[in-house]
Amino acid sequence: EAGVVQSPRYKIIEKKQPVAFWCNPISGHNTLYWYLQNLGQGPELLIRYENEEAVDDSQLPKDRFSAERLKGVDSTLKIQPAELGDSAVYLCASSSSAQVEGEQNIQYFGAGTRLSVL
Amino acid sequence: GQNIDQPTEMTATEGAIVQINCTYQTSGFNGLFWYQQHAGEAPTFLSYNVLDGLEEKGRFSSFLSRSKGYSYLLLKELQMKDSASYLCAVRRDYKLSFGAGTTVTVRA
Repeated sequence: EAGVVQSPRYKIIEKKQPVAFWCNPISGHNTLYWYLQNLGQGPELLIRYENEEAVDDSQLPKDRFSAERLKGVDSTLKIQPAELGDSAVYLCASSSSAQVEGEQNIQYFGAGTRLSVL
Repeated sequence: GQNIDQPTEMTATEGAIVQINCTYQTSGFNGLFWYQQHAGEAPTFLSYNVLDGLEEKGRFSSFLSRSKGYSYLLLKELQMKDSASYLCAVRRDYKLSFGAGTTVTVRA
């Protein structure tokens, strides 16, 4: 079974440029998460989707960040314009709300996109 | 909110045992997770505790005391491939809050 797929793995841009990240969750997982991970820190939630609805975007800096999950499957996260402080790893995760014994809404992560803003 | 504390670094010898402690303060609790993250890779799920006690999965075990706001991850028979960051995460509703991670270095 394929895991969470993210692309690109690495992205280098100049400040003030736009950038977009793509995520394809595990098949059948209705919940999708975008996290930000700074070096030496744990992931921090940016936004959570239930199917195509953003149910928690309280931590998303909406002046420059946007996200969409139009068909309730794959998702994109966009930054426009990027700032130096946005350099980090952007992780996508997915989980299933189906109550499968032992699953307990475990979040499965992709390998992330490492963004460097110069 | 959640305050989650875990040591920054630990070093151990191949074949030994290491215990990574995690303490948390939270206004709500729906379970505690441990993830392993190798450098440049995805965090991978290791264990989940929602009730007090010990959960054992092969060489890895995780313990939870909800009254003390305390958990530990026990890694036995350490192997070189166990060198990684170990993340403690507390769930409240559907939201996971992570600690900063503990970098474990296994030496030959």
